[in-house]
Amino acid sequence: DQQVKQNSPSLSVQEGRISILNCDYTNSMFDYFLWYKKYPAEGPTFLISISSIKDKNEDGRFTVFLNKSAKHLSLHIVPSQPGDSAVYFCAASVDSSYKLIFGSGTRLLVRP
Amino acid sequence: ETGVTQTPRHLVMGMTNKKSLKCEQHLGHNAMYWYKQSAKKPLELMFVYNFKEQTENNSVPSRFSPECPNSSHLFLHLHTLQPEDSALYLCASSQELAGVFRYNEQFFGPGTRLTVL
Repeated sequence: DQQVKQNSPSLSVQEGRISILNCDYTNSMFDYFLWYKKYPAEGPTFLISISSIKDKNEDGRFTVFLNKSAKHLSLHIVPSQPGDSAVYFCAASVDSSYKLIFGSGTRLLVRP
Repeated sequence: ETGVTQTPRHLVMGMTNKKSLKCEQHLGHNAMYWYKQSAKKPLELMFVYNFKEQTENNSVPSRFSPECPNSSHLFLHLHTLQPEDSALYLCASSQELAGVFRYNEQFFGPGTRLTVL
């Protein structure tokens, strides 16, 4: 059974609007969470992370929110740009380990 | 070359073939990883090498055999694979401190798309 779930396989958003990508997890021992972005024919690249001691981390247009009680995290992209069109993976680890557990990804399409 | 490179980018092989996937990192890192991504499934960690020593074998069948001759190169030797082994195989590297193997940003290669007939 998947410990990290991205229930929306795809999302389409108008340029300039907010994109919200969601991720749910089941393992309460997870204490470090990451988002990776993947373009076609390229490997995933790290985007942003958050430790379980925080509930928000912001980096430019990207903000990750963590709700530990709901075992839920989300990635907000504001404003969305066509270049943000990619597959976004959520990942988590226990004790900030190198051993990442990934979700299956959400494909984001930002329409011009 | 920069970053993490993988060759070949695409590979088609029969179930009786023996082939190898190659990964090279040009980042001066000392930890390297093999991941597998099957269609519509999450990335799964297969093997981890830290300072050339294997530190993780995530219950991977023996038909997959990793080799890490130095901290810049990682191979995945394949033999008698099954069609269900068809997937994208991704290599990654990270910089780890000796004796403290925690998460540090992993840099991924573009992957090898493997098809087993």
